[in-house]
Amino acid sequence: AQSVAQPEDQVNVAEGNPLTVKCTYSVSGNPYLFWYVQYPNRGLQFLLKYITGDNLVKGSYGFEAEFNKSQTSFHLKKPSALVSDSALYFCAVRDGNNAGNMLTFGGGTRLMVKP
Amino acid sequence: GAGVSQSPSNKVTEKGKDVELRCDPISGHTALYWYRQSLGQGLEFLIYFQGNSAPDKSGLPSDRFSAERTGGSVSTLTIQRTQQEDSAVYLCASSLRGTGGWGDTQYFGPGTRLTVL
Repeated sequence: AQSVAQPEDQVNVAEGNPLTVKCTYSVSGNPYLFWYVQYPNRGLQFLLKYITGDNLVKGSYGFEAEFNKSQTSFHLKKPSALVSDSALYFCAVRDGNNAGNMLTFGGGTRLMVKP
Repeated sequence: GAGVSQSPSNKVTEKGKDVELRCDPISGHTALYWYRQSLGQGLEFLIYFQGNSAPDKSGLPSDRFSAERTGGSVSTLTIQRTQQEDSAVYLCASSLRGTGGWGDTQYFGPGTRLTVL
């Protein structure tokens, strides 16, 4: 079975400071990892994904994430936070052994960036 | 290009009524998914369509829920005899491939907010 954990319900950072949103996962096969962002009353917007290759992946809006196989983590990072980054962030995983192909999501982390 | 669209954006219904939610996937995407987002349960998978294959219904919470996908494109999620616990945002997503395309990105629509009174 595949699962995702986002240990922090909320992360608070000051504008201009670096931010990290944590994600750990569990799969039986190869992990395919995704980050999505959700703004109020909107659907999920794709940020970035890890399939294979370089452990550091870069995505939209200056976000990046680092895949760490030994720690089964895929933390989302940004060097300098913007107030407009304030939103709900979801980590998701798809297990390469899972023929069902659905995504399993973490519970979400609310990012608050204060001026 | 056009993304995933869903209608209606909001639906208020009375307990016991049936509702239909519609999803138009991105053109050319063979895989279509329905998810539900609620306060207590987070984001949960409901059903998955891959081309003309039989759908994966493993996430449907009860037999009051059903979905179909006509012509490999538009999908309708039907909830019969709605209950208050069905209140949630129903999200549709599509991806280029399904099985075998594990790295393919799922693109989400804006969702339908269902409120059951």
